Amino acid sequence: QQQVKQSPQSLIVQKGGISIINCAYENTAFDYFPWYQQFPGKGPALLIAIRPDVSEKKEGRFTISFNKSAKQFSLHIMDSQPGDSATYFCAARSGSARQLTFGSGTQLTVLP
Amino acid sequence: GAVVSQHPSRVICKSGTSVKIECRSLDFQATTMFWYRQFPKQSLMLMATSNEGSKATYEQGVEKDKFLINHASLTLSTLTVTSAHPEDSSFYICSATLVTEQYFGPGTRLTVT
Repeated sequence: QQQVKQSPQSLIVQKGGISIINCAYENTAFDYFPWYQQFPGKGPALLIAIRPDVSEKKEGRFTISFNKSAKQFSLHIMDSQPGDSATYFCAARSGSARQLTFGSGTQLTVLP
Repeated sequence: GAVVSQHPSRVICKSGTSVKIECRSLDFQATTMFWYRQFPKQSLMLMATSNEGSKATYEQGVEKDKFLINHASLTLSTLTVTSAHPEDSSFYICSATLVTEQYFGPGTRLTVT
């Protein structure tokens, strides 16, 4: 019940395209859903996060869509750029817990 | 703001020796820090939760006698890999909590020969 399932495992997108990464969870106690971006040999960096009281959050080219009834959330990267090539992790946390539960990661490659 | 550093960034040690990795929150105080381990092309695996002034809480399957964690101050936590073996070679990442957000360090690549 603590798992967060992430798909796809890898994604190749042309420059200017839209990258979409999906995550699903089971634990209804989760109330915070961040996305992290990780470049090779570096630690993850917080990209954008959402709480379940809203269905969408946008920050620049990055948008989180959240579907509470389906227990799914997704990251959309608009106008994808080669510099966006990285591994993306979704995560979730419940209010009573301090630790994050991470998805398995998606390796995004944006072709020039 | 909210910068977390790790030292060293890379370390190579011989089998049987111990290695200490430092995690510092540079511009904030963190009552809670976390230690993760990451294998190539895999997700982050939580090893332990470190609270300032108290014993760390280890995840199931993580040997507390092998991975010693000390959270001596609100800005410093250390992970010591004792009697390291080649299978301990991995990327170790810490994070520090500020309010509700976790901020990650840049990671430490440990190679045990």
